[in-house]
Order: sequence, then structure tokens, then C-alpha cells
Amino acid sequence: EAQVTQNPRYLITVTGKKLTVTCSQNMNHEYMSWYRQDPGLGLRQIYYSMNVEVTDKGDVPEGYKVSRKEKRNFPLILESPSPNQTSLYFCASSRDSVSSGNTIYFGEGSWLTVV
Amino acid sequence: QQPVQSPQAVILREGEDAVINCSSSKALYSVHWYRQKHGEAPVFLMILLKGGEQKGHEKISASFNEKKQQSSLYLTASQLSYSGTYFCGTERFLNDYKLSFGAGTTVTVRA
Repeated sequence: EAQVTQNPRYLITVTGKKLTVTCSQNMNHEYMSWYRQDPGLGLRQIYYSMNVEVTDKGDVPEGYKVSRKEKRNFPLILESPSPNQTSLYFCASSRDSVSSGNTIYFGEGSWLTVV
Repeated sequence: QQPVQSPQAVILREGEDAVINCSSSKALYSVHWYRQKHGEAPVFLMILLKGGEQKGHEKISASFNEKKQQSSLYLTASQLSYSGTYFCGTERFLNDYKLSFGAGTTVTVRA
């Protein structure tokens, strides 16, 4: 079954404690990306990756890091989380860009609360 | 810059129609539409490329007016299963990779 898997699904953490949200896809997709979803703002892109070792910033990259060492994995790293990073996070993947006709698949989401 | 969606919310009775609009101040290459049920991940519905084409997905269809940089999603003869939040996503050029999304339109269909 085609899947994008995120972990953890729910996390409450404290300010400043480094955390990593993992994302893994089993579809051999080239393109992966991270979004945060906040009420009234919709989805905002944090980072994206076109292929292994190729990443770039989205609209809201501040406070986040990513890496793409393997095709299937694209972890999101919060080096020093702050309360304004409390949000619902989605990872997504597609074979290539959506504009070239590819369906994008989203993970189940990770609820992150920073206190 | 995020596209602007309207309306923010709409309530329908089964069988009624609705239109959701998505507008951008910048030139677009593609517009895509998604539906998100409460507590679930967004699901890709369809993509429209510049050229003014119209597409359909069951009784949900969409159009893209390249001159106005506006796309409209049409919910026809709505069903209870159409309830959810609809988002538009946009790309400025082919293989943009940098997706921008509207804030969403919450659709509630009542029996």
C-alpha cells in the first residue's frame, strides 16, 4: 500500500529541547516536502526536496532543518523548538512536481505542542 | 504569496451546488485542489494547468482562468461525503516545487 508515514503523531515537548519528526515514503518518490498547518492560514511549505541531497526552503523555513540522505526518508528537525512552532505538521511526497502531472500524497500529520 | 480563497465557509443541503474560488496576484502555471476531512490528511483531487481547461472528478469539477489567475471548484448536487475543507494549491511555473496553498474553505453538507 502506498504510504507516507510520519512519527510521532502526537508530541508535547518543552521549549529548547531538540526534536525530530520522521517521514518515510514507500513509493520511490523523488519529491518530498514538509508543511505546517495553522488555523486560518492553511498549509505553508517549510522545506522541500527534489531528490537525495537536494533540499530548498519553502515559505516558512525559520527554526527548522531538514536532510535527505536517502530517497525514502525526509526528517524534519527542530533544533530549539519554541511555542510558536506549535502546529500540525504534514509530510508529503510525489513522483516529481505536481505541475508535471503527479499526484501528491500526504502523511497522517503530526501534532506538535511546544510548552 | 498564498492564494486567496473564498468563501471561508459554506453550508449546503444535500443536492445543492456551491462554488469555491481561488485567486492569485501572481501568474500561475497550475492550480490543484485538495479535500481534507476533519482530523485527516489532505487528499489530492485534481490539477489544472494554464490554458483554461476544465476538469472533473465525479460531480466535482474545476476551471482555471489564466487571464484572471483564478480557479473555481464546482460542487454539483452535493452529497454528505463532500463535507470537509477544500484547499487550492498553486505553482508559478512548471516544476516549481514550491507550492503555495490557500487558507481553505470549510464545506458542510447537511441532510
